[in-house]
Amino acid sequence: NAGVTQTPKFRVLKTGQSMTLLCAQDMNHEYMYWYRQDPGMGLRLIHYSVGEGTTAKGEVPDGYNVSRLKKQNFLLGLESAAPSQTSVYFCASSPAGELFFGEGSRLTVL
Amino acid sequence: AQSVTQPDIHITVSEGASLELRCNYSYGATPYLFWYVQSPGQGLQLLLKYFSGDTLVQGIKGFEAEFKRSQSSFNLRKPSVHWSDAAEYFCAVVVDSNYQLIWGAGTKLIIKP
Repeated sequence: NAGVTQTPKFRVLKTGQSMTLLCAQDMNHEYMYWYRQDPGMGLRLIHYSVGEGTTAKGEVPDGYNVSRLKKQNFLLGLESAAPSQTSVYFCASSPAGELFFGEGSRLTVL
Repeated sequence: AQSVTQPDIHITVSEGASLELRCNYSYGATPYLFWYVQSPGQGLQLLLKYFSGDTLVQGIKGFEAEFKRSQSSFNLRKPSVHWSDAAEYFCAVVVDSNYQLIWGAGTKLIIKP
């Protein structure tokens, strides 16, 4: 059972480049979330989804877009990367309550 | 405003000693509370959760936490720590019907041999 899988695990971008992080879960969970984790700041919610075809903004959505075309996948996009988006990104899924996390994607924007 | 406070950024404990990590929350309704653990370079793993009922909850790896409504606290405890417990610990509270969580900034646990 793979759980929550994030790809890629590491990526280096130049300012202004775009990229997409993929999150896949095989637990048939309705809820999915994208967080960023920065030192001393805990986790901050970027966007979330309460089901296939739905998305909503979290605490820090600016500069990011998301899509949930399939229930099992939740994509996080950066259209024009900025150094402030250097962070570790975590995807999580939930049946309603407990969150199950992926192992994270470390993104560096130069 | 809703918030979660973990007042200790770092805690150092000797192996075999007891542990208590503090968590205070600010939330108007009955909270759903969690403790997660994150080992270096890993994702977060659920230690335990409180939704309702018995205010002393047991979790994995020998951890427990006690919900105290009067103190708005949900402190994590372990009677005897092991070197493998060295990690960062996060407290979180559910704040809406979409199960959005507000997270504390984390407490890094360091184990002295």
